[in-house]
Amino acid sequence: GDSVTQMEGPVTLSEEAFLTINCTYTATGYPSLFWYVQYPGEGLQLLLKATKADDKGSNKGFEATYRKETTSFHLEKGSVQVSDSAVYFCALRGSQGNLIFGKGTKLSVKP
Amino acid sequence: DTEVTQTPKHLVMGMTNKKSLKCEQHMGHRAMYWYKQKAKKPPELMFVYSYEKLSINESVPSRFSPECPNSSLLNLHLHALQPEDSALYLCASSHRDPLSGQGPQETQYFGPGTRLLVL
Repeated sequence: GDSVTQMEGPVTLSEEAFLTINCTYTATGYPSLFWYVQYPGEGLQLLLKATKADDKGSNKGFEATYRKETTSFHLEKGSVQVSDSAVYFCALRGSQGNLIFGKGTKLSVKP
Repeated sequence: DTEVTQTPKHLVMGMTNKKSLKCEQHMGHRAMYWYKQKAKKPPELMFVYSYEKLSINESVPSRFSPECPNSSLLNLHLHALQPEDSALYLCASSHRDPLSGQGPQETQYFGPGTRLLVL
């Protein structure tokens, strides 16, 4: 079945460091891919998405490129801030239209 | 506006209580979802309503009873819950019917959640 694998956390970085959170998927066809962010005590917010191969999603300095060759959708940001501390979930659109999530990666950014 | 609202924010209930969670969106979305999220885990799909009809039930116990009274509202009625049902309950909506294929209107927008504690 469809699944998402993302790097285990937690990830701890200093402010202004470069961020990469790896995400790979297994699916039939080319499903839409998403990154959601969850701040402490809150619900999920859509961070970015890509609906087809080679699409690049971007928002708030975060980027991810849909790579069908490597079945990956890695999240990157050039310079993280303390306010980026949160849990990041990679997800794909399942065959029933539901979201299939990875386990989440907790990011802590220290000043 | 991509806002989904949920009430209450927090709920504490005993195992014999009956309570309801409420979700509302005014974006004209035709699909609404309930997810359950345990601590330090990803959300898990419970139910999907499409055009006010239940289209997906992920084998959820009958002590959880969803209801979609109109296209903007989604309720989750709770009865005889167990302590292991304590979790964050998230509602989401999308413009498009989830079974109608991929596209830009498939994106699901989440509410802030209701944090439920069952004693």
